[in-house]
Amino acid sequence: NAGVTQTPKFQVLKTGQSMTLQCAQDMNHEYMSWYRQDPGMGLRLIHYSVGAGITDQGEVPNGYNVSRSTTEDFPLRLLSAAPSQTSVYFCASSYSSKSSGATDTQYFGPGTRLTVL
Amino acid sequence: DAKTTQPTSMDCAEGRAANLPCNHSTISGNEYVYWYRQIHSQGPQYIIHGLKNNETNEMASLIITEDRKSSTLILPHATLRDTAVYYCIVRVALWTGGYQKVTFGTGTKLQVIP
Repeated sequence: NAGVTQTPKFQVLKTGQSMTLQCAQDMNHEYMSWYRQDPGMGLRLIHYSVGAGITDQGEVPNGYNVSRSTTEDFPLRLLSAAPSQTSVYFCASSYSSKSSGATDTQYFGPGTRLTVL
Repeated sequence: DAKTTQPTSMDCAEGRAANLPCNHSTISGNEYVYWYRQIHSQGPQYIIHGLKNNETNEMASLIITEDRKSSTLILPHATLRDTAVYYCIVRVALWTGGYQKVTFGTGTKLQVIP
């Protein structure tokens, strides 16, 4: 299994440009999430999805859109990039079993380092 | 989810045990304690989790106090590759509800010294 993959690894944008960060997982996980991490700070949740066709907002959703058309893919769209969106973006997926004792260990991708000029 | 408190940074000599504390005094009876770590520039990595019993796996041990208000992650023989930021998180058991948003604080930066 490749686990959670993210592309691109690095990206530089100009203010106002749009782009899509790709995230894919091959573990058949229902739950997927996007986080951003700014220097010296913890991870902040942007958007998450509990299954194909279902998404919801996290702590810092403004300026980002998501969709979940398949179980495997969860792209993050920046509508009009701003310097404040310069950050490292991590995608994560986790299992969703309701069985007693099941855990929802999150698996993270390697991250996308985005710079907005 | 209950809030956690961790020291900002710690040092540990290579080969010695690293003991990372975490306070979670408002933890509820159905909340688990999870530990993740983030090696520089990489995505966070799951280490271990527990409810009330002590747990051990190939990476670490987790000691949870009897009142569950604090826990300690133990790396038995720290190596330079264990230098990372360690996050302590408490979360409701998965089967009690739907998706649980994970809140990562700033964690403890562990520096393993040669």
